[in-house]
Amino acid sequence: DAKTTQPTSMDCAEGRAANLPCNHSTISGNEYVYWYRQIHSQGPQYIIHGLKNNETNEMASLIITEDRKSSTLILPHATLRDTAVYYCIVKEAGTALIFGKGTTLSVSS
Amino acid sequence: DAGVIQSPRHEVTEMGQEVTLRCKPISGHDYLFWYRQTMMRGLELLIYFNNNVPIDDSGMPEDRFSAKMPNASFSTLKIQPSEPRDSAVYFCASSFHDVTIYFGEGSWLTVV
Repeated sequence: DAKTTQPTSMDCAEGRAANLPCNHSTISGNEYVYWYRQIHSQGPQYIIHGLKNNETNEMASLIITEDRKSSTLILPHATLRDTAVYYCIVKEAGTALIFGKGTTLSVSS
Repeated sequence: DAGVIQSPRHEVTEMGQEVTLRCKPISGHDYLFWYRQTMMRGLELLIYFNNNVPIDDSGMPEDRFSAKMPNASFSTLKIQPSEPRDSAVYFCASSFHDVTIYFGEGSWLTVV
């Protein structure tokens, strides 16, 4: 069974913030939340990860709710090159990433 | 750093032939992963290694598939004999202490 639930697809206008939600209501205390994306025909690319605190890097921000049952990936100023499939994954340290179907984000001008 | 290097990038082979896919992880990384991606099944984990030792091979489809990691800088995924349903993109990935996992660009396999 999938550990995360994501919308199948989302649209975003170029230059606007893209907010991608993820539900992980059965997450355990030692599982991290990871976000990856896959641009067509390329290998998956790491975006960000966190345990319980909000995280920010040069690519995105990760907001994790206090109960850790859901999170949101924020791309602050989406560009056409951000069009991709975005995967939200929960996993323990020392284990592999298990990919679900992800969210297809389409950014348009 | 050159990143995870996979070869060949593209291969077309006939059913029944042996296929060997190769991976060079990022130097210093201690985890190595093999994934397969198809339209029908998405991204599937096949096997992963830690310090050259296989940790979980439960995703390997059947005995026709085998993976080895003879040293920290090289791994192979072998299919013998190959079948048309093995056609897919095979990704290799590596990480250091399992923090950030970096993927290669994939090997596109077509079995006719």
